[in-house]
Amino acid sequence: ETGVTQTPRHLVMGMTNKKSLKCEQHLGHNAMYWYKQSAKKPLELMFVYSLEERVENNSVPSRFSPECPNSSHLFLHLHTLQPEDSALYLCASSQDIGPYNEQFFGPGTRLTVL
Amino acid sequence: AQSVTQLDSQVPVFEEAPVELRCNYSSSVSVYLFWYVQYPNQGLQLLLKYLSGSTLVESINGFEAEFNKSQTSFHLRKPSVHISDTAEYFCAVCKSWGKLQFGAGTQVVVTP
Repeated sequence: ETGVTQTPRHLVMGMTNKKSLKCEQHLGHNAMYWYKQSAKKPLELMFVYSLEERVENNSVPSRFSPECPNSSHLFLHLHTLQPEDSALYLCASSQDIGPYNEQFFGPGTRLTVL
Repeated sequence: AQSVTQLDSQVPVFEEAPVELRCNYSSSVSVYLFWYVQYPNQGLQLLLKYLSGSTLVESINGFEAEFNKSQTSFHLRKPSVHISDTAEYFCAVCKSWGKLQFGAGTQVVVTP
């Protein structure tokens, strides 16, 4: 595997379910990000981790819970979601945080909440 | 505060014709500027970026963008598009550390 991978690619869940999204980067980067991409809206930054420490929590509801066990893996734990949470969730990584560092994106997980 | 405006949500263009995608931003401080491209069913890929120096930046596949500080713009252009350029294009600005702020995107549809 190369680059940034995300699993699953598609997920359908009910509002009472608990599920997790997984992201793995094979680039040796120190920073990882979660974004939410909704139709016709700008990408929304949700969380940022640098060296496994959360450095940004962008006013995200508590039903989204991130976890970064090491610099290569990032999870997004989901529980009690709402239909408006349906979106494409993108993971990204960069060598370090900072504007000079290109962010590399995974293909995303398409989430549908029923 | 800063915001990014992409003025066109969709741009249809014929193959081998030129295309321009407009991006304006608002910020009271210096920013770094990026264009990302998203092909169908894929994540975003960096197309080009402006950090400092020459205001005209180019990508390896023929796109270019010009930073215009007075007009707070960073428009993307390509003189001759291919079918394979069909994708969604996102303008983004970064004021500090890694916090990118994206525009809503412009869908480019290239037809023969």
